[in-house]
Amino acid sequence: RKEVEQDPGPFNVPEGATVAFNCTYSNSASQSFFWYRQDCRKEPKLLMSVYSSGNEDGRFTAQLNRASQYISLLIRDSKLSDSATYLCVVNRSGATNKLIFGTGTLLAVQP
Amino acid sequence: SQTIHQWPATLVQPVGSPLSLECTVEGTSNPNLYWYRQAAGRGLQLLFYSVGIGQISSEVPQNLSASRPQDRQFILSSKKLLLSDSGFYLCAWTDRGREETQYFGPGTRLLVL
Repeated sequence: RKEVEQDPGPFNVPEGATVAFNCTYSNSASQSFFWYRQDCRKEPKLLMSVYSSGNEDGRFTAQLNRASQYISLLIRDSKLSDSATYLCVVNRSGATNKLIFGTGTLLAVQP
Repeated sequence: SQTIHQWPATLVQPVGSPLSLECTVEGTSNPNLYWYRQAAGRGLQLLFYSVGIGQISSEVPQNLSASRPQDRQFILSSKKLLLSDSGFYLCAWTDRGREETQYFGPGTRLLVL
C-alpha cells in the first residue's frame, strides 16, 4: 500500500464549480499534512497546511480526519488559474524533516 | 528574500555518461537541503537530504550520489547514467525550525537516451 494515495483524476470542471479532492495516508503516527500545487512542468509550491480543526484560505478549505487517516481539499468557485496538479503531502513519522508526496490529482477547469 | 537556483534547466545525456546537477540557495543560512526525483506519471521520490556541510543521508539505493561542499550548495552526481535515471530532478530547502515547509527550485529535466 502506498504511504499517500490520491485519485489521479483528471477532474474536469467548469469555471465556478466546487471541486473536492481526497487523500488517504497509511501511517497513523503522521503529524503534519499539507497540500501542494504543481503547475505543468513546474516545481511544487505549498498551497496550504492542513490542521486538525480544518482551515480555510479564501476559496480553499482543507480538512483532516485522523481517525480515518483522510485529508481533503475543497475548492469553491473554480477559476481557470486553478488548473494544476494538487499534491497531498504527509510528514514521515518520527522525522519531521521528511515529507511523503502523493502522486497528485490533476484538475482542469474549463471555460 | 530566499531564492533557490538549479542548473541546468534541461539536459539530454547518453546512457553511461556522468551527471552533475547543482543547486544553490540564497538568503538563508544552514538550511536543510533535499534532492527529489519525479518520474513521468509518478510522485516525488526523496533521493537525498542534508542537514549540514558534508552530511548526506540517502533514501534509496541507486547509482546516484550527493554532496554538500558548502552550506548552501547541494550537488547530485552519477558516474554512469541509466535509462531509468530520466526524470524531473528537484532540489528543495527548509529552514531549521520550520522544517515541514519545503521550498523547491525550478528543477532540472533530465532525459537519458
